[in-house]
Amino acid sequence: DIQLTQSPSFVSVSVGDRVTITCRASQAMNSYLAWYQQKPGKAPKILIYAASTLQSGVPLRFSGSGSGTEFTLTISSLQPEDFATYYCQQLNSYPLTFGGGTKVEIK
Amino acid sequence: EVQLVESGGGLVQPGGSLRLSCAASGFTFSDYYMDWVRQAPGKGLEWVGRVRDKVNSYTTEYAASVKGRFTLSRDDSKNSVYLQMNSLETEDTAVYYCVKNIRLGSTRGVAFDLWGQGTLLTVS
Repeated sequence: DIQLTQSPSFVSVSVGDRVTITCRASQAMNSYLAWYQQKPGKAPKILIYAASTLQSGVPLRFSGSGSGTEFTLTISSLQPEDFATYYCQQLNSYPLTFGGGTKVEIK
Repeated sequence: EVQLVESGGGLVQPGGSLRLSCAASGFTFSDYYMDWVRQAPGKGLEWVGRVRDKVNSYTTEYAASVKGRFTLSRDDSKNSVYLQMNSLETEDTAVYYCVKNIRLGSTRGVAFDLWGQGTLLTVS
């Protein structure tokens, strides 16, 4: 199984800050890596797929990069609506797995 | 409207069974893989399983934690996918989400682009 480790698990930031979340895979994988945003009481929402492709309708301040075993999600300038929990997911092999999540809170 | 609507959640005793349903609308359901993802209270996301499309013979994949107890199926004529859950355990308590996969050309299962609102299963 491919284990995904997200870091940090928690980050406290201010509006306008740049945020980078890392997702490390336990073994090298192709670029079937996705990022999701989840707000309390809501279903997750896709942000990025195939490591770096922005889902339609997602603001350009979100970007994804990486390959092999290390992937990143960057929010260039955090907006109030971005405070949420973020998850990475690998769809390279079964079982599909998610990272443990990164909670982005207001400083 | 493009949406997924789950139903069937509720309270079940350990060892019991339940079937969750997910009704799709607004897209060509038969063209897509469908998955289920669950989230225990206060915890992260856990993939449960996948049912492929007719082209891929409706084959299924499961997480180890549910294999042998849960069964995924779909009815393309009803635009619906189902999760039959048997031998339920307290650890199965979670919100269960039905999800649609992204297709990139002939490549299926690239990511989850549409999620239902979730249905809560409580095993107690």
